[in-house]
Amino acid sequence: EVQLVESGGGLVQPGGSLRLSCAASGFTFSTYDMNWVRQAPGKGLEWVSHISGSGTAMHYADSVKGRFTISRDNAKNSLYLQMNSLRAEDSAVYYCARGTSLSGYNWGQGTLVIVSS
Amino acid sequence: QSALTQPPSASGSPGQSVTISCTGTSSDVGGYNYVSWYQQHPGKAPKLMIYEVSKRPSGVPDRFSGSKSGNTASLTVSGLQAEDEADYHCSSHAGGNSVPFGGGTKLTVL
Repeated sequence: EVQLVESGGGLVQPGGSLRLSCAASGFTFSTYDMNWVRQAPGKGLEWVSHISGSGTAMHYADSVKGRFTISRDNAKNSLYLQMNSLRAEDSAVYYCARGTSLSGYNWGQGTLVIVSS
Repeated sequence: QSALTQPPSASGSPGQSVTISCTGTSSDVGGYNYVSWYQQHPGKAPKLMIYEVSKRPSGVPDRFSGSKSGNTASLTVSGLQAEDEADYHCSSHAGGNSVPFGGGTKLTVL
């Protein structure tokens, strides 16, 4: 069974940093592209970032480019999102998602990030 | 503003059919046969219901079906059941380095 478990969310002040993690199990992690997708309270889903299975290709939404960094450790079956220079509008539930826009996504349960002073 | 346009709400009575639309452009929905639909119950993670416009993952009831015409994709839920009440989100491949989603549609079973 595919399992994706996010962690690392919490309350952070504007301008601060946070690192999210996603622990994967139940599939061969290194063979799958992975993503972060977020959902602000009461809003729709917003794709944030993508990383290829090998970790050599990364893409970002314009709204986070230059501030967020996606990475993965295939030996640890883990996906990460380093978030710097956080803004109030970054407040959302952040989901780890397996797959691509071609195949569709399988999702973790999410971790809540609140950016507030 | 979301890249793909969905109606904010839809409703139907048990046993009826409901169709939810997802409108994009020729650069996303209209240009590729890669539209996905997700079901999301309150406080829960999204669940993949449809991929590649009309394919169902294993375990998804055949009451859920997808189609596409031009720049608009559609999700149809037939034989509505109370458990189908949820938010539904669409997404599409867009050829570039971003992935558009719709704003979501709240489906109410009356």
